[in-house]
Amino acid sequence: GAVVSQHPSRVICKSGTSVKIECRSLDFQATTMFWYRQFPKQSLMLMATSNEGSKATYEQGVEKDKFLINHASLTLSTLTVTSAHPEDSSFYICSAADRSLNQPQHFGDGTRLSIL
Amino acid sequence: AQSVAQPEDQVNVAEGNPLTVKCTYSVSGNPYLFWYVQYPNRGLQFLLKYITGDNLVKGSYGFEAEFNKSQTSFHLKKPSALVSDSALYFCAVRDWDTDKLIFGTGTRLQVFP
Repeated sequence: GAVVSQHPSRVICKSGTSVKIECRSLDFQATTMFWYRQFPKQSLMLMATSNEGSKATYEQGVEKDKFLINHASLTLSTLTVTSAHPEDSSFYICSAADRSLNQPQHFGDGTRLSIL
Repeated sequence: AQSVAQPEDQVNVAEGNPLTVKCTYSVSGNPYLFWYVQYPNRGLQFLLKYITGDNLVKGSYGFEAEFNKSQTSFHLKKPSALVSDSALYFCAVRDWDTDKLIFGTGTRLQVFP
């Protein structure tokens, strides 16, 4: 089946640090990748949609300068949380799909980000 | 706007009993519906989807879902629950134009031995 690898699984760092999270589709080409944020005991909140080779589309209320998304290839997208602060602590999850195949989204295992 | 609703925050069921996790939808046009499961500190795993065809959709791990157009529902079912089925379940509808998934609020399933 389609596998999406997300790395790292957990990050603990000091306030002001920038953190990069990688999302890779291992056995399919991800024309579209999605980044979500999940707060404890809540549903997933879509942050942005990225299509390979083009700029990400951010959801309303999501700061694009704070959450930098790069989708440089059909198998890799990155989310960089710039100058992270404690309020950025959350569970971040990526998903990927091959739009040409009308696939369901396949999700990574998430990254638990804790900012001290 | 497309949306799904999961009316139950938690469902408790004894092992071996049938389980149902409820989902209703509101869409313009034909619905494209999904069920995902999330285990603690993990991403979501795809269980099944409905686009067209048979109203009863079979998915992974023995789960199935019944699409009911008149009741605008897409309930997740399993004939015999396992303790290992305990997890958080999300219903979702896909937006045809943007491919975005709109998730329900999730239902925590607890299966007791």
